Amino acid sequence: GQNIDQPTEMTATEGAIVQINCTYQTSGFNGLFWYQQHAGEAPTFLSYNVLDGLEEKGRFSSFLSRSKGYSYLLLKELQMKDSASYLCAAMDSNYQLIWGAGTKLIIKP
Amino acid sequence: IAGITQAPTSQILAAGRRMTLRCTQDMRHNAMYWYRQDLGLGLRLIHYSNTAGTTGKGEVPDGYSVSRANTDDFPLTLASAVPSQTSVYFCASSDSREKGTDTQYFGPGTRLTVL
Repeated sequence: GQNIDQPTEMTATEGAIVQINCTYQTSGFNGLFWYQQHAGEAPTFLSYNVLDGLEEKGRFSSFLSRSKGYSYLLLKELQMKDSASYLCAAMDSNYQLIWGAGTKLIIKP
Repeated sequence: IAGITQAPTSQILAAGRRMTLRCTQDMRHNAMYWYRQDLGLGLRLIHYSNTAGTTGKGEVPDGYSVSRANTDDFPLTLASAVPSQTSVYFCASSDSREKGTDTQYFGPGTRLTVL
């Protein structure tokens, strides 16, 4: 079956760095997406990886290892506004997104 | 309008009633999607449409139907609502479904409670 695993909840301190891991198993692979979702709001796109390696975009970076079925989202210089759920989604061979349940990130002052 | 709009924002519905959730996008995207989001579960695809005039079933299509008469609108209908359909429903769109780099953009969601 197809499956995405990510931690349910993480806590970090304002100004620090946090890494949110995601492992995936899909039938075929057409890329890995990360979305941010604030409570009561819609998911918004953060990053896309299809090749191995690190993609950096400001304070956020995303890493992919296709051989290991593994990705992480790295958030630097954490701000209170980064408190949100982070959704990992892998695109299978039919171009369907398989979503993880999300990681709720709590930022403490 | 900018992006995707959904209506209503929230609704309480009696079991057995018929309900249509509306979704409109103004980005001229070809592909549109309906998801439901339940606590502790990932987003689950209900139905999708690659382009106007075509629709397809997602992971959890039972009890739901969709139509795509034009590019902009993609309504989701619950023919006879049941309590297990209580959820938050998100509509999304993307330029093309069959392209790996394609990003999906989400509407604000409809919170539906079936009693």
